[in-house]
Amino acid sequence: QVQLKESGPGLVQSSQTLSLTCIVSGLSLTSNSVHWVRQPPGKGLEWMGAIWSGGSTEYNSGLKSRLSISRDTSKSQVFLKMNSLQTEDTAIYFCTRYFDFWGPGTMVTVSS
Amino acid sequence: DIQMTQSPSSMSASLGDRVTITCQASQDIGNNLIWFQQKPGKSPRPMIYYGTNLANGVPSRFSGSRSGSDYSLTIRSLESEDLADYHCLQYKQYPYTFGAGTKLELK
Repeated sequence: QVQLKESGPGLVQSSQTLSLTCIVSGLSLTSNSVHWVRQPPGKGLEWMGAIWSGGSTEYNSGLKSRLSISRDTSKSQVFLKMNSLQTEDTAIYFCTRYFDFWGPGTMVTVSS
Repeated sequence: DIQMTQSPSSMSASLGDRVTITCQASQDIGNNLIWFQQKPGKSPRPMIYYGTNLANGVPSRFSGSRSGSDYSLTIRSLESEDLADYHCLQYKQYPYTFGAGTKLELK
């Protein structure tokens, strides 16, 4: 069955770069898109960006200058990198296959 | 960017009540809207696709509808397992945008 799981550092220092990995199983990245969505504690959801089956990417315009999404199809992994982190980037980060299957999320805390 | 104005931000209802949550789109999104349910500590669960189509396994008391730029999620008769946060998402245009969410609680 389709499964996604996020992994990351948990705690990141302000101004540093966040690196997250989404490991997928039960699907091929060359046939499916994977999106990243985040949720600050107690707040709503924010679409961050996506990598499509052909490898092209789309980003939220508000994050575009700081965000990069890539993948390794041979390892069934999708990567998110975001630089210049601030405390307001503290959130749960989810990866999802086009919003039907979701990972459990990984909490990222940005400390000043 | 397309703004999704979701209302109410929170509401309380009694078991058996009919509940309606609405998202208003600032631009035409067609029916390119998904409704999600999210319980504490869990990932969002898609409930309604393409504005009106029930996702697999979702109870038939849930329904989605559209009137112009207003999209609604209705629970015909509230059950305790429906108490959760609800979010809408438009995927007509980048950047995809969510509504601010509705917290549904028991009266």
